[in-house]
Amino acid sequence: AQSVAQPEDQVNVAEGNPLTVKCTYSVSGNPYLFWYVQYPNRGLQFLLKYITGDNLVKGSYGFEAEFNKSQTSFHLKKPSALVSDSALYFCAVRRSYGGATNKLIFGTGTLLAVQP
Amino acid sequence: DGGITQSPKYLFRKEGQNVTLSCEQNLNHDAMYWYRQDPGQGLRLIYYSQIVNDFQKGDIAEGYSVSREKKESFPLTVTSAQKNPTAFYLCASTPDRGHITEAFFGQGTRLTVV
Repeated sequence: AQSVAQPEDQVNVAEGNPLTVKCTYSVSGNPYLFWYVQYPNRGLQFLLKYITGDNLVKGSYGFEAEFNKSQTSFHLKKPSALVSDSALYFCAVRRSYGGATNKLIFGTGTLLAVQP
Repeated sequence: DGGITQSPKYLFRKEGQNVTLSCEQNLNHDAMYWYRQDPGQGLRLIYYSQIVNDFQKGDIAEGYSVSREKKESFPLTVTSAQKNPTAFYLCASTPDRGHITEAFFGQGTRLTVV
């Protein structure tokens, strides 16, 4: 079965410190991985994706993620957290489903809280 | 501006009623999706459609129905058969079913049973 796990329900970090939000995946074949951010009562906004190529992917708002095939991980990182980064973060993996493409499986989300 | 519009933002349903959530996109995307979001459960796929007049069930389709009569529109009906419909509903689209692209999301509809 194809799945994605976000082992932390919440991550707390002080403003200015580096942050990491963890994601591991299980998928047959090559994974296509995505990070999204959600602010309260809003839709999801795309941050970055890994399809192929360089394992370090850079995205919006200074975020980056590192694809690690041996550990089946795709952790989201930022060198210096801002209070405005506080939000719910979702990792997602694409799966094929009866011939359909672009089907996404989402993790349960990690709430990032950045303290001033 | 291009995007996905969901309406209404808040919706209240009485027991036994059917309600319809609207989703319209002007991105010229082929594929559209409906997700349900519950606290601590992430997003779960209800239905998806890759082309007009065609749609498939997702992981939790029971109690829901959809139509795709126009490329721009993918309304979701929550029927009385859905026993626990209170949730946040998100509509999304992708440009082409053949490409590995990110999904674009609407702002969501919060449905509450009263």
